[in-house]
Amino acid sequence: NAGVMQNPRHLVRRRGQEARLRCSPMKGHSHVYWYRQLPEEGLKFMVYLQKENIIDESGMPKERFSAEFPKEGPSILRIQQVVRGDSAAYFCASSPGAGNHGYTFGSGTRLTVV
Amino acid sequence: GENVEQHPSTLSVQEGDSAVIKCTYSDSASNYFPWYKQELGKRPQLIIDIRSNVGEKKDQRIAVTLNKTAKHFSLHITETQPEDSAVYFCAASNPYGNNRLAFGKGNQVVVIP
Repeated sequence: NAGVMQNPRHLVRRRGQEARLRCSPMKGHSHVYWYRQLPEEGLKFMVYLQKENIIDESGMPKERFSAEFPKEGPSILRIQQVVRGDSAAYFCASSPGAGNHGYTFGSGTRLTVV
Repeated sequence: GENVEQHPSTLSVQEGDSAVIKCTYSDSASNYFPWYKQELGKRPQLIIDIRSNVGEKKDQRIAVTLNKTAKHFSLHITETQPEDSAVYFCAASNPYGNNRLAFGKGNQVVVIP
């Protein structure tokens, strides 16, 4: 079992560019969560998705950020027109069901906006 | 929403001593409390969790206690080793929040050899 796979591990973008972060959940997991971690901070919930559905996006900024989890392929977190404040580690986690379970996190994507 | 706080922010212990990290939460409906360990530059890893129907859970050198009345839970690490040095995050979730975890800001634990 390869675990939760995220890529790229590191991503550098210039201000105004788009960032695309990918997450493949663990085999058999159909629930995906995205969290953002600023330096020396805890993880902040962004969005929860199931296949083809956004279940909870209460933590997503209203503008520039979007997420999807298509029927085929990985979940994508997309940040348009990046700004320096978007620089952070973005972690994806997956779980097997909707009940309260411990997550398995991926290794994260460290986004740096220059 | 849920608000989780951790204390202290940094904890230094001598190797072999015990470390205790305490978290408080605000939402009385929260019923699931995991702890994560994060080493520098790595992903958070689940090390232990507890549900609200039990007061204590132990796994080798790690234990977690929960006081629902006071709304706090603690991580206990006994016989600390250098490899225990990391940032530890507590979190909480409730049955109505889509398994959404509210994390504390983390505790840096430094084990001094």
